Amino acid sequence: DGGITQSPKYLFRKEGQNVTLSCEQNLNHDAMYWYRQDPGQGLRLIYYSQIVNDFQKGDIAEGYSVSREKKESFPLTVTSAQKNPTAFYLCASSNPWTANTEAFFGQGTRLTVV
Amino acid sequence: KNQVEQSPQSLIILEGKNCTLQCNYTVSPFSNLRWYKQDTGRGPVSLTIMTFSENTKSNGRYTATLDADTKQSSLHITASQLSDSASYICVVSSGGGNKLTFGTGTQLKVEL
Repeated sequence: DGGITQSPKYLFRKEGQNVTLSCEQNLNHDAMYWYRQDPGQGLRLIYYSQIVNDFQKGDIAEGYSVSREKKESFPLTVTSAQKNPTAFYLCASSNPWTANTEAFFGQGTRLTVV
Repeated sequence: KNQVEQSPQSLIILEGKNCTLQCNYTVSPFSNLRWYKQDTGRGPVSLTIMTFSENTKSNGRYTATLDADTKQSSLHITASQLSDSASYICVVSSGGGNKLTFGTGTQLKVEL
């Protein structure tokens, strides 16, 4: 099946720890995105990548890091510098070279700091 | 600053009834507008997309309208079902479609 897969679905982190959220897509999309969703707020862009080996900060990049070594993969690391990491994280991908392209979303990872 | 505002914030309706959700945006340059449905704990799924020249677009029981002059869109749900209970998110694209601005969503609950 073609799609975008996030893992794990639930993740618990102790304070001071780094954790990495996985995002894999087999849609052959060049662009991939990470969003954070908090209750009562719209999705906020953390990082995005338009092409392999290139990525850009979004609106709330502080305390996060990413890599894009492969077209299919765009892992997000939540570092200990992120002061309020508990949230629902969504990964998306799209083909940016097509007009009116759709962003396809993964099923999300819920991160909780314990 | 690009913004997308949705109303109401939440809505409860009886099964079988119709409802309309609103979206106002101040996004420039405008590329397209999508409505997404997001079930609890899941990723959003696209329902409709409209470009500048389109006024209405239907997808089954979902009908979206767009007024590019007033920068308003609506999503009308006909004959609601329990499975329609979800968050509905308005998303406006700019800059060729790669810059997305999300609304905060309308939480819809359909009851018996």
